[in-house]
Amino acid sequence: DAKTTQPNSMESNEEEPVHLPCNHSTISGTDYIHWYRQLPSQGPEYVIHGLTSNVNNRMASLAIAEDRKSSTLILHRATLRDAAVYYCILRDAGNMLTFGGGTRLMVKP
Amino acid sequence: GAGVSQSPSNKVTEKGKDVELRCDPISGHTALYWYRQSLGQGLEFLIYFQGNSAPDKSGLPSDRFSAERTGGSVSTLTIQRTQQEDSAVYLCASSSTTGVWETQYFGPGTRLLVL
Repeated sequence: DAKTTQPNSMESNEEEPVHLPCNHSTISGTDYIHWYRQLPSQGPEYVIHGLTSNVNNRMASLAIAEDRKSSTLILHRATLRDAAVYYCILRDAGNMLTFGGGTRLMVKP
Repeated sequence: GAGVSQSPSNKVTEKGKDVELRCDPISGHTALYWYRQSLGQGLEFLIYFQGNSAPDKSGLPSDRFSAERTGGSVSTLTIQRTQQEDSAVYLCASSSTTGVWETQYFGPGTRLLVL
């Protein structure tokens, strides 16, 4: 799977929007962009995924750049429960998930 | 519905002993994955089962590690002659399909400590 680059950590205030960036300049045309998050002492959980168009679900929104070389995970109103490590993952073929370092999101009350 | 379950949740063992870690995937999920997360490091893939196909063992770090999946459901990861560097959280995940769009559902993990 192609490589992604994310900031090591970000901080947000509770009830404010959070934009988590991910750079993937070597993305191929068939790569899907997946986001997972891992809350403290838990296994990772799926957040959202997309290919070309922006996506929305109950947890978050995914904004994908027109050239697909970057994407942004948007949490519309951060809560304390959103404090986690967020992983941006590209998937083309193969079945396992290849996790990078992710972004540790800290939410301040 | 019930999610992926793993047992035990914690395991402490002595160096050189064998350990077995169990994973119960979501009912009906044909794909099952094992990952490992060492302290301060990211998650690394270990092994993957899909239906009756031969497992993808490409991530197993040594021949001390093995896994089986009986009846296409429950899976057991076995570590023989454990070493201190095997200390980690072992995570199991399952999915109903395979493909670049599929979602993997993770269990809570088994925290292994080798003394």
